[in-house]
Amino acid sequence: AQSVSQHNHHVILSEAASLELGCNYSYGGTVNLFWYVQYPGQHLQLLLKYFSGDPLVKGIKGFEAEFIKSKFSFNLRKPSVQWSDTAEYFCAVKPDTGRRALTFGSGTRLQVQP
Amino acid sequence: GAGVSQSPSNKVTEKGKDVELRCDPISGHTALYWYRQRLGQGLEFLIYFQGNSAPDKSGLPSDRFSAERTGESVSTLTIQRTQQEDSAVYLCASSLVSGTGTYNEQFFGPGTRLTVL
Repeated sequence: AQSVSQHNHHVILSEAASLELGCNYSYGGTVNLFWYVQYPGQHLQLLLKYFSGDPLVKGIKGFEAEFIKSKFSFNLRKPSVQWSDTAEYFCAVKPDTGRRALTFGSGTRLQVQP
Repeated sequence: GAGVSQSPSNKVTEKGKDVELRCDPISGHTALYWYRQRLGQGLEFLIYFQGNSAPDKSGLPSDRFSAERTGESVSTLTIQRTQQEDSAVYLCASSLVSGTGTYNEQFFGPGTRLTVL
């Protein structure tokens, strides 16, 4: 069965700092990869996804993620964070075939200080 | 409705009682998922419904957990004889379903926070 590891549980940054959140997965086959975000008091929502093609994917609000197949990683990045990026971020994986449900990491709580 | 809704938003129950959680998916979404999120952990898949197909129950942690869905509408997740370890946020998501190899975004509801005393 696949699993997802997020190395940082809680990250505190100042505004304008750069962000990188780690995500590694374990699965031998082809996968689809996702980052979800949950802002305070809001629902989980999709930030970006990777299916195939260019391993550098861009999402909403200036976020991007890079799929490195050899490292089984899908790290999330943003060059300059804002206070409004304060949220919890979840990495998720789905095998390319088979079950449609997602396997999530444990999440990273990002706190951006003004 | 505009999004996935869940009720109740909070539920406090005593150990050993049964609880029923409800999910209203987005109209037209044939796929419905239940996940559980324990404190400090990621979302854990419980069960998946797609149209009239047999549900994927592979994530249900024990036979105390069951779920039903009537057609492509409301789903209820039932936990019998609740235990303290059942305390978690229970999230529902729905999506469209396209052909093989196509992923349709899952839209999540606000969740039900269950506390078992």
